[in-house]
Amino acid sequence: QLQLRESGPGLVQPSETLSVTCTVSGDSINSSDCYWGWIRQPPGKGLEWIGSIYYTGSTFYNPTLKSRVTISADTSKNQFSLKLSSVTAADTAVYYCARPLTRNGSYKYWGQGTLVTVSS
Amino acid sequence: QSALTQPPSVSGSPGQSVTISCTGTSSDVGSYNSVSWYQQPPDTAPKLIIHEVSHRPSGVPDRFSGSKSGNTASLTISGLQAEDEADYYCSSYTSSTTWVFGGGTKVTVL
Repeated sequence: QLQLRESGPGLVQPSETLSVTCTVSGDSINSSDCYWGWIRQPPGKGLEWIGSIYYTGSTFYNPTLKSRVTISADTSKNQFSLKLSSVTAADTAVYYCARPLTRNGSYKYWGQGTLVTVSS
Repeated sequence: QSALTQPPSVSGSPGQSVTISCTGTSSDVGSYNSVSWYQQPPDTAPKLIIHEVSHRPSGVPDRFSGSKSGNTASLTISGLQAEDEADYYCSSYTSSTTWVFGGGTKVTVL
């Protein structure tokens, strides 16, 4: 059974870099022909697509976040990660990782999400 | 990229039907059949209920249906039930090879 689990620091200082990792079980990111995704949701607000990665390293990013976002994959650990630099309070959100139903399609499988708060 | 436009809230009595609209542009909803709908009860991760405009993943009740006309997609919940009370989000693939979500609609069962 496919499971995704996000892990993150919980609290990040303003201007620093936020890092969140998604650990995948029940599937292999380097044999699944799909783009694994990151989506976030600020408290009380809507969903925002951050970006996605193919196991080869091919990435797509939200243009509004592109200058600050890096998504990478570690196939040996069956993980993919998100780094967001120069964070502000506006980056406080629940960060979800997800797997699409098809190659680059709708997100069928989601992690439970991890709340990252940006505050001093 | 701009978020897709959804009404903030809709409501209906049990057994009634409600429809949520999702308006985009010719660069997203209008050009692709990669339109999805997600259901999100409070404090839970989103759940995919419609993909590719009108297809339901296995296990999703046929009370949920999707359609699209031009730059606007729609989700209809027929035979509204108390358990359908949740936030609903549309999403579309875009010409920039990215995904964009709508602002979300809160469905209230009266």
